[in-house]
Amino acid sequence: QVQLVESGGGSVRSGGSLRLSCAASAFTFTDYYLGWIRQSPEKGLEWVAYISKTGSRFYYEDSLKDRFTISRDNSKNSLYLQMNSLRVEDTAVYYCVRDADVAGPQFDPDYWGQGTLVIVSS
Amino acid sequence: QTVVTQEPSLTVSPGGTVTLTCASNTGPVTSDYYPNWFQQKPGQPPTSLIFGTSNRHSWTPARFSGSLLGDKAALTLSRVQPEDEADYFCLLYYGRRHVFGPGTKVTVL
Repeated sequence: QVQLVESGGGSVRSGGSLRLSCAASAFTFTDYYLGWIRQSPEKGLEWVAYISKTGSRFYYEDSLKDRFTISRDNSKNSLYLQMNSLRVEDTAVYYCVRDADVAGPQFDPDYWGQGTLVIVSS
Repeated sequence: QTVVTQEPSLTVSPGGTVTLTCASNTGPVTSDYYPNWFQQKPGQPPTSLIFGTSNRHSWTPARFSGSLLGDKAALTLSRVQPEDEADYFCLLYYGRRHVFGPGTKVTVL
């Protein structure tokens, strides 16, 4: 069945960087938009970014686009999130999600990974 | 600032029916917001239930139904079972932006 497995989380000091990865399997990777959603007790669920099938178009939550970069490697069935200048408020579980590929401009998450925890300390 | 609101908590008896709603501070929620609904149990990632207002995923039990109710998106749980006790989140589309609601904790008691 469809699997999305995140990795790369961990603890980092404020101002540091992390690169999250998401390994996908059991579906045709290039047929789907993919994205990152994060969740923290303070802010709840927040959209982070999503990327088109070819990787040529990106959409970011406005407050994050100057620090975070989403990318994908279709040859490796992998999705990435480069996070720079991390802040304490970026502390969250980061989920890799797949779009349901339904007609329309929106992103409908269907499958979610188990998540990877990012902790940013001051 | 875009704000999506949901009931903080609801309680339902086993076998009963409960309706959760999802509102936007920008005005009435319509199908153009492509409402999605998700279920999350403690220690687990969210599970997708409904997309595009009322469409179930292949794994979504038929007792979960999505709709528009007045000015809001709604998720109705019918014939509620103990395992439906969970947090439920809605997601609305605002032209490239996607905003989650804060969630509704459903207790089955």
